[in-house]
Amino acid sequence: DTEVTQTPKHLVMGMTNKKSLKCEQHMGHRAMYWYKQKAKKPPELMFVYSYEKLSINESVPSRFSPECPNSSLLNLHLHALQPEDSALYLCASSQPRDRVSPLHFGNGTRLTVT
Amino acid sequence: AQKITQTQPGMFVQEKEAVTLDCTYDTSDPSYGLFWYKQPSSGEMIFLIYQGSYDQQNATEGRYSLNFQKARKSANLVISASQLGDSAMYFCAMREGRYTGTASKLTFGTGTRLQVTL
Repeated sequence: DTEVTQTPKHLVMGMTNKKSLKCEQHMGHRAMYWYKQKAKKPPELMFVYSYEKLSINESVPSRFSPECPNSSLLNLHLHALQPEDSALYLCASSQPRDRVSPLHFGNGTRLTVT
Repeated sequence: AQKITQTQPGMFVQEKEAVTLDCTYDTSDPSYGLFWYKQPSSGEMIFLIYQGSYDQQNATEGRYSLNFQKARKSANLVISASQLGDSAMYFCAMREGRYTGTASKLTFGTGTRLQVTL
């Protein structure tokens, strides 16, 4: 059983829609991450929150808007996406201060933009 | 510059045999962590094993072991007694940096697809 839960598992949205991806962790971690993974490629980092503050933004387009309401929750708000944004979106959490602390991932949300 | 290199796009291994998946890395930071993750076709990313740059012993977790050769900058994953359920994509990954009070990112290699056959 994963301790990082992502909803929904699948999402289909049009280019004019607004939707949100949700992630919740019950591991007591204080760092949370969004990764984007295209088919047959490794995950690519989008955002990192550390102690509920945005600490890394990998030059992600503004149509992706992250939010960290508290230490357990991470959202990714989506607006005016393009078909090329279709991908698997993975959320992860870790202890922020320990460089050898692994990231624990959720099962991902498969997003299709039509 | 590529920080994590996995040169084997695909590997085949027979059930019950051992297999080694290669990983080399590049960093000038003396403090780093190396990780292996398994990703089945369902998509979840499963943490398998890690090695810290200052660890003297090679890491082991059940059937997984990490062959860490620091001077060569390699961190190969060895899976012993392969099972059909081991068929998946395997990613090598690295985190760099000393403690800074904030999180550091995890950078992945391109992955190796392992197929276990009967």
